[in-house]
Amino acid sequence: QVQLQQSGAELVKPGTSVKLSCKASGYTFTSNHMNWIKQTTGQGLEWIGIINPGSGGTSYNVKFKGKATLTVDKSSSTAFMQLSSLTPEDSAVYYCARINQRYFDYWGQGVMVTVSS
Amino acid sequence: DIQMTQSPSLLSASVGDRVTINCKASQNINKYLNWYQQKLGEAPKLLIYNTNNLQTGIPSRFSGSGSGTDYTLTISSLQPEDFGTYFCFQHNSWPLTFGSGTKLEIK
Repeated sequence: QVQLQQSGAELVKPGTSVKLSCKASGYTFTSNHMNWIKQTTGQGLEWIGIINPGSGGTSYNVKFKGKATLTVDKSSSTAFMQLSSLTPEDSAVYYCARINQRYFDYWGQGVMVTVSS
Repeated sequence: DIQMTQSPSLLSASVGDRVTINCKASQNINKYLNWYQQKLGEAPKLLIYNTNNLQTGIPSRFSGSGSGTDYTLTISSLQPEDFGTYFCFQHNSWPLTFGSGTKLEIK
């Protein structure tokens, strides 16, 4: 069955970076684009960007350009999102989600990132 | 960006009630509208895609309708397990955007 397994919770200091992972299993990794979504109590759900695992091509929400960098490792069927220059406003739960045509059909379990000194 | 306005933000209903949640887009989204249910501490779960297509495994009491800018999620007979927060989501234009959510409480 399709599974997206995300890495564990992170507590990081302001100004630093963090790299989150999302390991896919149960399907051909390069067959579906992968998305990243941010969830906070205040802003709700925000789409960050999408990556084509086959080509590495990406598209970002303008709001997250320069903040998020999406990559993949095809050999391990893993998608990554690096968040840079972290501030407390980056504290959130981050999800990876597989896209199927025009909907997210499978989601990772989410990872909480806390930015605090 | 396309703004997705959901209403109501909070809904309290009884088991057996018919419940409707609305989502209004700031421009035509050509029926590229999905509905998700989220329970506390869990990832969102897809209920309906492309306005009115029921995702596999989702009970038939859930249905969706709409066109243009106005969309509706209907639960025909509310069950205790239907509590949670419901989000609409548009996939017509970049950036993809979500509604602000409707919290459904069971009376």
